[in-house]
Amino acid sequence: DAGVIQSPRHEVTEMGQEVTLRCKPISGHNSLFWYRQTMMRGLELLIYFNNNVPIDDSGMPEDRFSAKMPNASFSTLKIQPSEPRDSAVYFCASSTARGHGTQYFGPGTRLLVL
Amino acid sequence: GDSVTQMEGPVTLSEEAFLTINCTYTATGYPSLFWYVQYPGEGLQLLLKATKADDKGSNKGFEATYRKETTSFHLEKGSVQVSDSAVYFCALLDSSYKLIFGSGTRLLVRP
Repeated sequence: DAGVIQSPRHEVTEMGQEVTLRCKPISGHNSLFWYRQTMMRGLELLIYFNNNVPIDDSGMPEDRFSAKMPNASFSTLKIQPSEPRDSAVYFCASSTARGHGTQYFGPGTRLLVL
Repeated sequence: GDSVTQMEGPVTLSEEAFLTINCTYTATGYPSLFWYVQYPGEGLQLLLKATKADDKGSNKGFEATYRKETTSFHLEKGSVQVSDSAVYFCALLDSSYKLIFGSGTRLLVRP
C-alpha cells in the first residue's frame, strides 16, 4: 500500500501567489482530513470530508483557503492569495470511517511564503 | 469544548530509562483516546489507542491505560531507545468524529 500521497513535498512561493496542495488518500478510505502544523499553533484541523462531501470546515482560517474533493482518490487545498503567515506544514490524512479515529497521515507539504 | 493537555517538553532521557508522558483530557462522555508519534520530517502515525475506560493500549513496548477517574491516558515505556526520539501527541475523538490533539511532547533519547 502506497499510503497517503501528498504533493508537492516542498513549496516556496511569494506573497500573493496562488498555492495548490494535492492529496491522494489510501484506496478504500472514505474520510479525508487536512491539517496545518506550526510551532505557534500546533496541529490544527482545517477541514474534513466524508464520502467526498465537506463535513466540517470550521477550521479553515479565512476565505483565502478553499478545499475540494472531486472524487474519492483526490483532494486539493488551495490558498489564494497566499500570505507569509500561511507558512506551515500541511498534512493530509485519511481513514476508513469518520468515527474510527485511526487516521493515516501523509508526509506533509512544507510551505514557505516569502 | 473538548481538549487535551500534555506535559511540556522536551523530555530528555538516557537510553534504557523509563518514560512517562502525561496526558489528561476534558470531554463530554467517554471518548476514544489515542497516542500518535511524529518522527522528524514525517507525518503522524498511530502508536496506540483505547476505546473505553480501563482499556490498555500497547504497541512497540509503549503502553497507556484509559483512566476515567483521573481523565488521563499517560504514555509509558519501560526502556527507551535512541530510535524512540520523536514528538508524541495525545488525542481524543470528539462527538463530531474529529481528533482533538494535544500540543505534543518532544522526546530526546541520548545514547
